[in-house]
Amino acid sequence: TQLLEQSPQFLSIQEGENLTVYCNSSSVFSSLQWYRQEPGEGPVLLVTVVTGGEVKKLKRLTFQFGDARKDSSLHITAAQPGDTGLYLCAGGASNYQLIWGAGTKLIIKP
Amino acid sequence: DVKVTQSSRYLVKRTGEKVFLECVQDMDHENMFWYRQDPGLGLRLIYFSYDVKMKEKGDIPEGYSVSREKKERFSLILESASTNQTSMYLCASSIVRDSQFFGPGTRLTVL
Repeated sequence: TQLLEQSPQFLSIQEGENLTVYCNSSSVFSSLQWYRQEPGEGPVLLVTVVTGGEVKKLKRLTFQFGDARKDSSLHITAAQPGDTGLYLCAGGASNYQLIWGAGTKLIIKP
Repeated sequence: DVKVTQSSRYLVKRTGEKVFLECVQDMDHENMFWYRQDPGLGLRLIYFSYDVKMKEKGDIPEGYSVSREKKERFSLILESASTNQTSMYLCASSIVRDSQFFGPGTRLTVL
């Protein structure tokens, strides 16, 4: 059974600080995606990484796919209250299914 | 702007009732998915469909059925609602497996 473990489960920091959240597995994935979900809404896709070692940047967010395609990280620089939300990673498994992590709940305090 | 809509944001039903959750997408996507989301468990796939009238079981199909009569519409049916089906239900659509677009969710409470 393929599993994705996210850490930490919960993170509360002050505005302006940097943070990193992790998504780890013992399985290899063909792709890895990160979504952000705000309270009362559905998840919104932030990025997809497909190549081992790939790094993608989205403004203050930096996403990295591990060399072996088993893990990924999301780094936020100078966090802002608007970054608050639930961050979910999902790995490409079978043709139609994604394997989902349980999420990291992030709170940025002004 | 791409859009996935779900028929209700909040729903309260009684044990034993038949419940219909509707999802409509306007992106002409082949694939549609139903998930439930519970705290600490992430998203769990109930059913998905890769074409009209086609459906495949996900990880937790027990107690649920689905219908896809038209490409844009994917319905989730709880034949006889139970309290352990209280959850957030999310519908998604996609062209390929990755890049799924989600609706706002339906928070279902079964009393």
